[in-house]
Amino acid sequence: EVHLLESGGGLVQPGGSLRLSCTASGFTFSTYAMSWVRQAPGKGLEWVSRIFGGGERSYYADSVRGRFTISRDNSEDTLYLQMNGLRVEDTAVYYCAKDSTGSPHSWGQGTLVTVSS
Amino acid sequence: FMLTQPHSVSESLGKTVTISCTRSSGNIASNYVQWYQQRPGSAPTTLIYEDDQRPSGISDRFSGSIDSSSNSASLIISGLKTEDEADYYCQCYDGPNNVVVFGGGTKLTVL
Repeated sequence: EVHLLESGGGLVQPGGSLRLSCTASGFTFSTYAMSWVRQAPGKGLEWVSRIFGGGERSYYADSVRGRFTISRDNSEDTLYLQMNGLRVEDTAVYYCAKDSTGSPHSWGQGTLVTVSS
Repeated sequence: FMLTQPHSVSESLGKTVTISCTRSSGNIASNYVQWYQQRPGSAPTTLIYEDDQRPSGISDRFSGSIDSSSNSASLIISGLKTEDEADYYCQCYDGPNNVVVFGGGTKLTVL
């Protein structure tokens, strides 16, 4: 059974940084692309970033490009999201997801990031 | 491209409801459509993938289809139960631009 556990969320001031982690189990992590998807309070789902299984390619939403960096450690079955230059509008629950044919398929429970002074 | 869903739908217990997802440009059939259910306070779960496929464990009360004539996808939920009250999102992968596109979500109320 696929299991994804996010961690690293919390309260951070505008302009600050945070690194999210997502620990995976139940599947061969290195063979699957992974994504981060976020959901602002009371809003819909917004795709953030995606990385190929080997880490060779990554893609970003326009809203985070240049500020966020997705990465993975296949030896540790862990996905990361380094978030710099955080803004109030980045406040959201961040979900990691195992991809299938380019789309999120299995989801974690999420971690809350709050950007506020 | 964008995916447009109705903001909300409602239907009675035991009935069938259809939630639409209209693609603004490009052919709906050119990229797989996924559907997700999100109950209040919970993470999303995948109901339908690759237009009409159900993951193991998902009830056959849920089905998906696409219609090229209206350039839209549909999620059909039959035999409505109170537990079906949730938000539902459609999604496509825009391969050429390497982005994932979500619809705005539809809130389902079971009367």
